[in-house]
Amino acid sequence: LAKTTQPISMDSYEGQEVNITCSHNNIATNDYITWYQQFPSQGPRFIIQGYKTKVTNEVASLFIPADRKSSTLSLPRVSLSDTAVYYCLVGGSARQLTFGSGTQLTVLP
Amino acid sequence: DTAVSQTPKYLVTQMGNDKSIKCEQNLGHDTMYWYKQDSKKFLKIMFSYNNKELIINETVPNRFSPKSPDKAHLNLHINSLELGDSAVYFCASSPGTGAYNEQFFGPGTRLTVL
Repeated sequence: LAKTTQPISMDSYEGQEVNITCSHNNIATNDYITWYQQFPSQGPRFIIQGYKTKVTNEVASLFIPADRKSSTLSLPRVSLSDTAVYYCLVGGSARQLTFGSGTQLTVLP
Repeated sequence: DTAVSQTPKYLVTQMGNDKSIKCEQNLGHDTMYWYKQDSKKFLKIMFSYNNKELIINETVPNRFSPKSPDKAHLNLHINSLELGDSAVYFCASSPGTGAYNEQFFGPGTRLTVL
């Protein structure tokens, strides 16, 4: 199973770009990289997923270097409502996906 | 319309009791899951069903028994509740079992064992 390491917490200010990096040194060839967001008292919500290079959607961007041993979730111009826990998951099947304890992002006014 | 729903939202009970949590999804997904989230926010998979068949059964005490009467429902029954069972339990569903499938989570059931 590909183990992931991400910071426990991060602080940012409104309007800034936030980058959360996840390390997954033993990622396997068929593993995908997926990020989820969880607000207090809610279930996690899918943000973005990628396999290699860069993926962008209306919420975030995901940067994956060529060796795929890490990935960076980029949130442009965060607002107070982006305060949440962000989970990085790596795996090729549902069985392999481990949420871990995530990164608590706190956006300050 | 709620995509993944769970009942009850809160459950407070005494040690030794038996309780059930129900989950329903109206997304037409084939795969459903149960997760446990402890007080440190660590979210761990417990079970997964695909088309009513058990496909993931992690190291969970056999006091926990999932049941899937049809592919839209996955219930969790817990016997002889213990203090350590206190947690938030999330149900989720996805179109299939591959990691590339987005999982849709329910609102969670906060279980408190006294």
